[in-house]
Amino acid sequence: DQQVKQNSPSLSVQEGRISILNCDYTNSMFDYFLWYKKYPAEGPTFLISISSIKDKNEDGRFTVFLNKSAKHLSLHIVPSQPGDSAVYFCAASAYDRGSTLGRLYFGRGTQLTVWP
Amino acid sequence: EAQVTQNPRYLITVTGKKLTVTCSQNMNHEYMSWYRQDPGLGLRQIYYSMNVEVTDKGDVPEGYKVSRKEKRNFPLILESPSPNQTSLYFCASNLGTGASEAFFGQGTRLTVV
Repeated sequence: DQQVKQNSPSLSVQEGRISILNCDYTNSMFDYFLWYKKYPAEGPTFLISISSIKDKNEDGRFTVFLNKSAKHLSLHIVPSQPGDSAVYFCAASAYDRGSTLGRLYFGRGTQLTVWP
Repeated sequence: EAQVTQNPRYLITVTGKKLTVTCSQNMNHEYMSWYRQDPGLGLRQIYYSMNVEVTDKGDVPEGYKVSRKEKRNFPLILESPSPNQTSLYFCASNLGTGASEAFFGQGTRLTVV
């Protein structure tokens, strides 16, 4: 059962425009959310995170928004650059989940393509 | 430099021939895990370990074994590989709290023929 869902397998955006990647989760125990970026032939790398006590976290061109009532988060990239082309994974975890403490639950990823 | 090191990066093997993929981290992390990445399926957890000598199954553990004899190492063992285990494998580690990022290795591309 997929607890973290990324319903768009791909997204294509023109350079300079905004990229919006979406993620939904089903487990209300999740209270920490992360985005990872993955280039081909490399491991995923951490991009940005947000705690459930916030609704927005910003780091340069990247902003993550969290809507707890809708169990939805999104990653905004402004402006998008060709180097942003990669697979983006959404992940979630819980501060206190006993035997699964520390585990990250991943979505299936969204392939972002930024074209010139 | 903080890192997770996996070896080998690429491996082609035959059905039934036992193999081990090694994973080592230098960050003194409690939590380590193995994932496989397949097209359209994202990252699926195979096994995880919350500390030395503490391991447990993830979502797709069938056909795999792990061990955690030391904190830094978490090898993945395929006792009798089969073609459906052809995949891209990633080892990851994190602090083991509920609010810590995971660091990933570079990946191991395994082909079982």
